[in-house]
Amino acid sequence: EVQVLESGGGLVQPGNSLKLSCATSGFTFSTAWMYWYRQFPEKRLEWVARIKAKSNNYATDYTESVKGRFTISRDDSKSSIYLQMNNLKEEDTAIYYCAWRAYWGQGTLVTVSS
Amino acid sequence: DVVLTQTPSILSATIGQSVSISCRSSQSLLDSDGNTYLYWFLQRPGQSPQRLIYLVSNLGSGVPNRFSGSGSGTDFTLKISGVEAEDLGVYYCMQATHAPYTFGAGTKLELK
Repeated sequence: EVQVLESGGGLVQPGNSLKLSCATSGFTFSTAWMYWYRQFPEKRLEWVARIKAKSNNYATDYTESVKGRFTISRDDSKSSIYLQMNNLKEEDTAIYYCAWRAYWGQGTLVTVSS
Repeated sequence: DVVLTQTPSILSATIGQSVSISCRSSQSLLDSDGNTYLYWFLQRPGQSPQRLIYLVSNLGSGVPNRFSGSGSGTDFTLKISGVEAEDLGVYYCMQATHAPYTFGAGTKLELK
């Protein structure tokens, strides 16, 4: 059974950092392309970042609004991906979802507020 | 960025009624590899999005066959042939042909 479980969300002040984690099981993680998405309070969905597999040199890609602030990474030995979020802004407030193909986690809430 | 326009924004239906949701793209979603990366998701209240349809018309694992997807190029449709109570929620289309991937604004399916 495929499992995707995010963690690391919380309340943070603007300008601060937070690191999200996503632990997975039930599929061949080392060849999987993994994704972060987010859903804003008004329910709009947005793709955030993607990381490809080792065979694709772990290539990464980001939505424009997070480039230079967010970094996606992976640890194939732990079947996990991460999202390092720096210089957070109030508009980054959202539920963050980790996903592989059809499988999405339950999400972790990030609130950026002073 | 590719804009996906979903209509209607709210859909009221009775149990057993057949309904359709439209998703129109600002650009063709046909990729150079011959695939069209158009997906449909359902988000039930309090849950994360569930992928129903991939590559326009392929039913996801465990998804009831009352759901069907069709379309090409810039025009796509999700049809539910006989709405059931568990189908209520918000439906989103998503494209992954052009970076950045983008979503439609959603269609809320509610009981009439």
